[in-house]
Amino acid sequence: EVQLVESGGALVQPGGSLRLSCAASGFTFSNYWMHWVRQVPGKGLVWVSRIYDDGRTTSYADSVKGRFTISRDNGKSMLHLQMNSLRVEDTAVYFCVRDRWRRLETPFDLWGQGTQVTVSS
Amino acid sequence: SYVLTQPPSVSVAPGETARITCGGNNIGFKRVQWYQQKAGQAPVVVVYDDGDRPSGIPERFSGSNSGGTAALTINRVEAGDEADYYCQVYDVNSNQVSIGGGTKVTVL
Repeated sequence: EVQLVESGGALVQPGGSLRLSCAASGFTFSNYWMHWVRQVPGKGLVWVSRIYDDGRTTSYADSVKGRFTISRDNGKSMLHLQMNSLRVEDTAVYFCVRDRWRRLETPFDLWGQGTQVTVSS
Repeated sequence: SYVLTQPPSVSVAPGETARITCGGNNIGFKRVQWYQQKAGQAPVVVVYDDGDRPSGIPERFSGSNSGGTAALTINRVEAGDEADYYCQVYDVNSNQVSIGGGTKVTVL
């Protein structure tokens, strides 16, 4: 089955760190660009970060630049998001998402079910 | 960053047509993607590259991008179409993905 399964979400204090992971299965992970998208329950979707198939090119939303790092392990079909200096406003469900094609203008064609990150004292 | 503007809500009677707009600076030069998110579920793409439909998406869903506004049109609306809808583009200037604020479609 083609799927993405996130893990690593937790309750963390402001200023703390967390590492999210996403396990891909059912497709050749190394052929796809990947993203993280987050959503506060009841609110809209917000793009967080993208990584190319080779892992060497990344981009970030302004709100997380310098604090979050996206990475991937193609050998293990895993996507990661290292989150440092966490803020209350980072509280959200984090989705692992796949690009349909390896081009900049492309739809997201596969989503995980998300993992909850709560930043609170 | 690039801002996409959607109406917060659209209400429509069953069998009628719902039109959801998505505005942005020079959006006509971008390829717009549209997602449907039902309560408690992950989003699903319903229209990609302005007006193409993935397999499995009913022909009732169509997209357009002209005259400075992108739009998702749902013809012959059904109760099952009740959901949040989001538009999305890539902005080359910021090298970032932008997602609209979302439109809640309510079927009366």
